[in-house]
Amino acid sequence: GDSVTQMEGPVTLSEEAFLTINCTYTATGYPSLFWYVQYPGEGLQLLLKATKADDKGSNKGFEATYRKETTSFHLEKGSVQVSDSAVYFCALSEDGYALNFGKGTSLLVTP
Amino acid sequence: GAGVSQSPRYKVAKRGQDVALRCDPISGHVSLFWYQQALGQGPEFLTYFQNEAQLDKSGLPSDRFFAERPEGSVSTLKIQRTQQEDSAVYLCASSFQGAQPQHFGDGTRLSIL
Repeated sequence: GDSVTQMEGPVTLSEEAFLTINCTYTATGYPSLFWYVQYPGEGLQLLLKATKADDKGSNKGFEATYRKETTSFHLEKGSVQVSDSAVYFCALSEDGYALNFGKGTSLLVTP
Repeated sequence: GAGVSQSPRYKVAKRGQDVALRCDPISGHVSLFWYQQALGQGPEFLTYFQNEAQLDKSGLPSDRFFAERPEGSVSTLKIQRTQQEDSAVYLCASSFQGAQPQHFGDGTRLSIL
């Protein structure tokens, strides 16, 4: 079945550091891919998405490119801020409705 | 309201009791989803409604779990004869029409003693 594997956290970075959170997937078809973020005390929010190979999703300085050849959707940001501290979830949807999530990666950014 | 609303935020129940969790989706959203999130894990899909029709319930863990959306708006997730392994955060999400993005509520944290 479909699955998503994320790098394990927690990830701790200093402010302005470069961020990469790895995400790889297995799927039988051509899923849509997503990154969701959960800030402390808040619900899950969609951060960005990509629906086909080579698409790049971007939002709030975060980017991720749908790489079909490596079945990956790594999340990157050039310069993280303290306010980016959160749990990040990679997810896929192959059937067009249900989301299949990874386990999440906790990010802590220190001043 | 502007977002998906879930109630209660916290629920404590004794093993064997029945519980009911409520979800108010965003007005006009046709699709509604329930997910279960265990501690330290990602959410796992439970069930999906389009309007009042339950189109997929493949993720419900057992026949003790039952979901309904009788008028195509508010949904209730019911768990009968609760067990300790049912302890988790139950998330509701809605979307305009099946396809993403899904908007999530803050969840109900269920603790079974």
